Amino acid sequence: ETGVTQTPRHLVMGMTNKKSLKCEQHLGHNAMYWYKQSAKKPLELMFVYNFKEQTENNSVPSRFSPECPNSSHLFLHLHTLQPEDSALYLCASSLEGRGGAGELFFGEGSRLTVL
Amino acid sequence: KQEVTQIPAALSVPEGENLVLNCSFTDSAIYNLQWFRQDPGKGLTSLLLIQSSQREQTSGRLNASLDKSSGRSTLYIAASQPGDSATYLCAVNSGAGSYQLTFGKGTKLSVIP
Repeated sequence: ETGVTQTPRHLVMGMTNKKSLKCEQHLGHNAMYWYKQSAKKPLELMFVYNFKEQTENNSVPSRFSPECPNSSHLFLHLHTLQPEDSALYLCASSLEGRGGAGELFFGEGSRLTVL
Repeated sequence: KQEVTQIPAALSVPEGENLVLNCSFTDSAIYNLQWFRQDPGKGLTSLLLIQSSQREQTSGRLNASLDKSSGRSTLYIAASQPGDSATYLCAVNSGAGSYQLTFGKGTKLSVIP
């Protein structure tokens, strides 16, 4: 496989469920990202990991818990979510630039619906 | 705080027409700017990346320009095709050690056969 792969592509969960989103990149990149895309809003950065260390956390509620075991894999653990958390969750990866992000490559996204 | 604006929100053109999509940003101290394409229900596809020291980048029928001093970038699409129909997003990385991209809301392009 090549590029950035996300699973599952679609997820429906109740407010008391616990589920996880998975992302895997095959590009040799060192930085991985979680973005949230809601209807009629710009993409919002949630978390950034560089060499599996979290470098940015944009005040995301604790019901979202990221995990990055290595530079190729990124998870987003979900628990006790709210209906307003329903959105498209996008994973991306890039090579670290000298002063900022390199070119980002995105996965196809995981469409989450919270009932 | 960086803000990115894309106008218009939607654009409809006949096939074969050349067109320009606009992106403006409030803080000119950027590291790079990236243009993406997004098809409905899909992820984002990178089109062009312009570093802060560059004025333009070209890929096939696409040409992106950057004017940092005025806080503007344009994406020029030549000889548009129905397959170009998608939402085009502009994103700015301000650098300074941050990997955060600030996105615009996008321009939804429809190319009519």
